Amino acid sequence: DIVMTQTPLSSPVTLGQPASISCRSSQSLLHYDGNIYLNWLHQRPGQPPRLLFYKISNRFSGVPDRFSASGAGTYFTLRISRVEAEDVGIYYCVQTSQYPDTFGQGTKLEI
Amino acid sequence: EVQLVESGGGLIQPGGSLRLSCAASGFTVSDFWMHWVRQVPGKGLESVARLSNDGSHTSYGDFVKGRFTISRDSAKNTVHLQMNSLRVDDTALYFCVRGTQLWAGIDFWGQGTLVTVSS
Repeated sequence: DIVMTQTPLSSPVTLGQPASISCRSSQSLLHYDGNIYLNWLHQRPGQPPRLLFYKISNRFSGVPDRFSASGAGTYFTLRISRVEAEDVGIYYCVQTSQYPDTFGQGTKLEI
Repeated sequence: EVQLVESGGGLIQPGGSLRLSCAASGFTVSDFWMHWVRQVPGKGLESVARLSNDGSHTSYGDFVKGRFTISRDSAKNTVHLQMNSLRVDDTALYFCVRGTQLWAGIDFWGQGTLVTVSS
């Protein structure tokens, strides 16, 4: 199985300041269709995860534009330009290029 | 509006069986791949099983080892996860998740149903 490794595992942030989370895969995420299916999820306490980005940098419906995502090869990044209170929770990267889909350990964003 | 509502979780002894259900609304399950993903309380996420949109293909996490079966009832727009030979380390919150149509991914998640395996 592909191993996804996130850093940091915990990130204290200040409201209005930027934040960044990294994700690395143990092998290429290149799907046979030529795409890289690296996705980002956000989970608030007591809630299920919700999709933020798919295919590295495609913003899902309803995701604020203060969020951005990028990456290539085996290294990917999620950025928040100005953290707001509602952004707290755990962020996960997940690869869906090869089943089983595998998730990073999660990064806890704390104000 | 897409909604996924899981049910069927509960307390079960090791070696027992449970059948989880996921009632979908706002879309037709036979048009999408459907997944089960679990989360040990306070821990990370793990893929359990998936079923193709045409119903012909299933895949399972390595830890399943023939104990679980994913299926669907198209008439009821529901997906099931039959879990047999349950172990203590199967204790988790089980989420039903919809696969995407336009790319190889997952998008909407249910609220989850808690399975506790304990004697």
